[in-house]
Amino acid sequence: AQKVTQAQTEISVVEKEDVTLDCVYETRDTTYYLFWYKQPPSGELVFLIRRNSFDEQNEISGRYSWNFQKSTSSFNFTITASQVVDSAVYFCALIQTLTGNTGKLIFGQGTTLQVKP
Amino acid sequence: DAGVTQSPTHLIKTRGQHVTLRCSPISGHKSVSWYQQVLGQGPQFIFQYYEKEERGRGNFPDRFSARQFPNYSSELNVNALLLGDSALYLCASSFKGEYEQYFGPGTRLTVT
Repeated sequence: AQKVTQAQTEISVVEKEDVTLDCVYETRDTTYYLFWYKQPPSGELVFLIRRNSFDEQNEISGRYSWNFQKSTSSFNFTITASQVVDSAVYFCALIQTLTGNTGKLIFGQGTTLQVKP
Repeated sequence: DAGVTQSPTHLIKTRGQHVTLRCSPISGHKSVSWYQQVLGQGPQFIFQYYEKEERGRGNFPDRFSARQFPNYSSELNVNALLLGDSALYLCASSFKGEYEQYFGPGTRLTVT
């Protein structure tokens, strides 16, 4: 079975602190994609990153960075020098690509990040 | 370029009624997916359509149906509405199903 677990329900930090959002996944497929989405209070899910299962290189985009470790089935997301505008719910998601490719995104429960000024 | 659009934005229906939600994908995208997001939870997959054919279906009752039109827009229909159908319904488009999916603003459905 496929599953995405985001153990942190809520995180609260003060502006300029670094924060890491954890994501652990389960899948039997050898080929899959992992995603992070941001959902601000407006409700629209904003795509942040896609990572395929064969690419374990870490990625940095501005203040955002992602650490993908296949050995621990984790795909963690770090925000450096957090800002109030980073306050949102963040979702990690998984999609399988080979067996029964339905294009189904499987989401974690989400982590609510509150950045206080 | 315009993003994914959904209509209506908000909708209030009574139990037992029927509802149709609409979605227009990003230009050039051929796949549309529908998700239901209940308050406080992650989105749950309902359907995916690619090139006008159903490619996948989530664990939802037959009251839920969808279709994709030749212009790749899509409709989600829900019959015999229940209170538990109250949720944010999200549409996502992608070039192909497994590519990154871009979400619309959603339709918030309230069933009373």
